Amino acid sequence: DIVMAQSPDSLAVSLGERATINCKSSQSILYTSNKKNYLAWYQHKPGQPPKLLILWASTRESGVPDRFSGSGSGTDFTLTISSLQAEDVAVYYCQQYYYTPFSFGQGTRLEI
Amino acid sequence: QVQLVESGGGVVQPGRSLRLSCVASGFAFSGHGMHWVRQAPGKGLEWVALISNDGDGKHYADSVKGRFTISRDNSKNTLYLQMNTLRPDDTAVYYCTRASRPGSFYTESDCWGQGTLVTVSS
Repeated sequence: DIVMAQSPDSLAVSLGERATINCKSSQSILYTSNKKNYLAWYQHKPGQPPKLLILWASTRESGVPDRFSGSGSGTDFTLTISSLQAEDVAVYYCQQYYYTPFSFGQGTRLEI
Repeated sequence: QVQLVESGGGVVQPGRSLRLSCVASGFAFSGHGMHWVRQAPGKGLEWVALISNDGDGKHYADSVKGRFTISRDNSKNTLYLQMNTLRPDDTAVYYCTRASRPGSFYTESDCWGQGTLVTVSS
């Protein structure tokens, strides 16, 4: 099974500052035939279902503000929020969908 | 608009069974793979199971394999999760999610229901 490890577990960032969350997979999730990384990022706020932010490691889902960006390839990935807004307070998860079971990282709690 | 509505959660004793349902609307249900994902109290997200759009392909997390069965009825736009031999560590909010790309389940989940709470306790 592929294990996803996020860092840090929690993060406090000032409004308007940059937030960076890392995600590492125990094996490569880059499919060489199509050059796509099978990684997604989700935002989860209390009392709401998770929301898809990023797919294919770096493609922003429709409607997601452009302050959210994803990068990385192979086994190392990053979610960056360029200028933190109050509504970005949430727990963020990465997920690989390369192999079943489609494992999630343990989550990163982002606070102001 | 796309909507997923789960039901069937509740309080159940260890060792008993429960069946969750998820009714889909606003999209061509029979074209999409579907997942169940859960979140135990105070814990992170855990992927549970997936089923292909035609119901022929199924995969499970090791923690539920042999106890849980995912199924679907495309004529009713409904996804199911039959949970047998429930344990206290199955206590969680269970979400149904849509695999975003039609015809493939190697995709992210682009739509999530609000979730249904399952509590396993004596």
